[in-house]
Amino acid sequence: GQQVMQIPQYQHVQEGEDFTTYCNSSTTLSNIQWYKQRPGGHPVFLIQLVKSGEVKKQKRLTFQFGEAKKNSSLHITATQTTDVGTYFCARNSGGSNYKLTFGKGTLLTVNP
Amino acid sequence: DAGVTQSPTHLIKTRGQQVTLRCSPKSGHDTVSWYQQALGQGPQFIFQYYEEEERQRGNFPDRFSGHQFPNYSSELNVNALLLGDSALYLCASSPSLGLAGPSPKTQYFGPGTRLLVL
Repeated sequence: GQQVMQIPQYQHVQEGEDFTTYCNSSTTLSNIQWYKQRPGGHPVFLIQLVKSGEVKKQKRLTFQFGEAKKNSSLHITATQTTDVGTYFCARNSGGSNYKLTFGKGTLLTVNP
Repeated sequence: DAGVTQSPTHLIKTRGQQVTLRCSPKSGHDTVSWYQQALGQGPQFIFQYYEEEERQRGNFPDRFSGHQFPNYSSELNVNALLLGDSALYLCASSPSLGLAGPSPKTQYFGPGTRLLVL
């Protein structure tokens, strides 16, 4: 199948440190979506990237889509305890199909 | 405006039993997808319904079936439950495929139903 690989699987940081998670695909992605799932919660949509080299920011979160559209990253500046959760990237099958293939996620824990 | 709702929130069943999970999509959405999320894993696509028909299906056995009603709500049925079916079952809804606008469109997930099979 058309998998997306995420690294690292786990990341523990001290509050105030930065955090980055990476998403990689062996095939070109039409788009990539990022979700956050708090412990015990459900995935919540964060952002969608479509264009090659695209960079989007949401406050302390910066999302990038690679030039070749085969990788993406999520960077959090100065983490806070509210950032705790699992961050998933997901590829859409393209068009308007809405079928998402998720990575295994990166679990972020933050030590206050 | 209510978001995606799912019922029940939690469910305990025994092996061999059957279960029905329910989902009401976000207002204005007519496409419903179901996902299974095992502990520590990402959600896995089960199938998708649009206009009361199954449009796409993931790699799940026929024990998993579904239905979409005229009001766009949906049910997920699982027969002959196995221990490995224990998971969080997520419903996600999306805006109408018929609407103009950028594609692909965002999916909105419901809170999920936590199923435990003993």
